Amino acid sequence: DGGITQSPKYLFRKEGQNVTLSCEQNLNHDAMYWYRQDPGQGLRLIYYSQIVNDFQKGDIAEGYSVSREKKESFPLTVTSAQKNPTAFYLCASSTTSGRMEQFFGPGTRLTVL
Amino acid sequence: RKEVEQDPGPFNVPEGATVAFNCTYSNSASQSFFWYRQDCRKEPKLLMSVYSSGNEDGRFTAQLNRASQYISLLIRDSKLSDSATYLCVVNIYYGGSQGNLIFGKGTKLSVKP
Repeated sequence: DGGITQSPKYLFRKEGQNVTLSCEQNLNHDAMYWYRQDPGQGLRLIYYSQIVNDFQKGDIAEGYSVSREKKESFPLTVTSAQKNPTAFYLCASSTTSGRMEQFFGPGTRLTVL
Repeated sequence: RKEVEQDPGPFNVPEGATVAFNCTYSNSASQSFFWYRQDCRKEPKLLMSVYSSGNEDGRFTAQLNRASQYISLLIRDSKLSDSATYLCVVNIYYGGSQGNLIFGKGTKLSVKP
């Protein structure tokens, strides 16, 4: 089945540690995205990539980093510079033409202790 | 002005009721419009695209009014399983190039027996 996977589902880390969230898709989509969602809030774009080896900052990129070495994969690193990292992180993918609907993975819930 | 605005609700309705949500967007150049559904602590899932002529999918009807820059979603014969948060989503274009999706904060619907 085609889809997007994220791992792990729940992640606990100590303050000051970097952590990498995984996102893989087999939909053959060129574009991939990372969002953050806080309780009662909308989705905020962290980073996005429209092609391999290229990515762009979204609205809240500070304290995060990404890479796009393969079409299928778009890992997100939450660094110790992110001041308030506890949140629900969602990865999505889409085509880069047409209506560009985005399809989401199940998310990773990160808690920093 | 926020790019995509929705009434957060909650809308509390009995089973079988008809309920309508509206959403306004600020970028008149937007080309693509969607409604997503998000269940509690889950990822958003595409409910339906919104086309200029309006479109229907079973009990769900979506309308677009470009002149007034608003989108609506009508749910007929509400079911308990319709309880969720409904996200209005718009594709924002910058300088003639395709932009990213902008998500509203969502409207919460609770259908009661």
